[in-house]
Amino acid sequence: GAVVSQHPSRVICKSGTSVKIECRSLDFQATTMFWYRQFPKKSLMLMATSNEGSKATYEQGVEKDKFLINHASLTLSTLTVTSAHPEDSSFYICSARFATTGNKVDTQYFGPGTRLTVL
Amino acid sequence: RKEVEQDPGPFNVPEGATVAFNCTYSNSASQSFFWYRQDCRKEPKLLMSVYSSGNEDGRFTAQLNRASQYISLLIRDSKLSDSATYLCVASPGAGGFKTIFGAGTRLFVKA
Repeated sequence: GAVVSQHPSRVICKSGTSVKIECRSLDFQATTMFWYRQFPKKSLMLMATSNEGSKATYEQGVEKDKFLINHASLTLSTLTVTSAHPEDSSFYICSARFATTGNKVDTQYFGPGTRLTVL
Repeated sequence: RKEVEQDPGPFNVPEGATVAFNCTYSNSASQSFFWYRQDCRKEPKLLMSVYSSGNEDGRFTAQLNRASQYISLLIRDSKLSDSATYLCVASPGAGGFKTIFGAGTRLFVKA
């Protein structure tokens, strides 16, 4: 399958700081990437859809000024958690849309995730 | 009603057992369906796509019933390594690609 990397894998920061998470598609170009958040023992929650060269589309209840998304190239999307607080502590996962041709359906490939802990 | 619903489990089965998971989706416009596997504290990994004709990959069989709007996953001859959370996924397909994940079904396979 396609490879998606995410960096950093783990980050611990103080309350009030900003944290940037990178998501890269390593062996394919991804016009669309997705950012999810997952709390312990909970389901994946889509935060936003990131489209290369345009503004991200945020899901209801997700503050766009707090979770800044930039998709500057076909292989890189970044999520910046601004002024992080303890309630932002979570597992953040990105995925990249692998658009196939013919009769094959699009699939998503996930990065390994970033565990954010805000003290 | 959730867009994609799954029985959260957990399913506790002995090695070698056959176990089946069902998942229902509410959006009749959904076109693409998948099963993902997620291990504890790891990212989801694509297990298999689900086609109308059904598909099989080794010990895993996935089926789609559009009339009833549910998909299923059957695991035969369960292995200890099958222990994980299985996520059901429905998507409107290319062009309107917003994937909806189920909350997952936890499976524990015991020796």
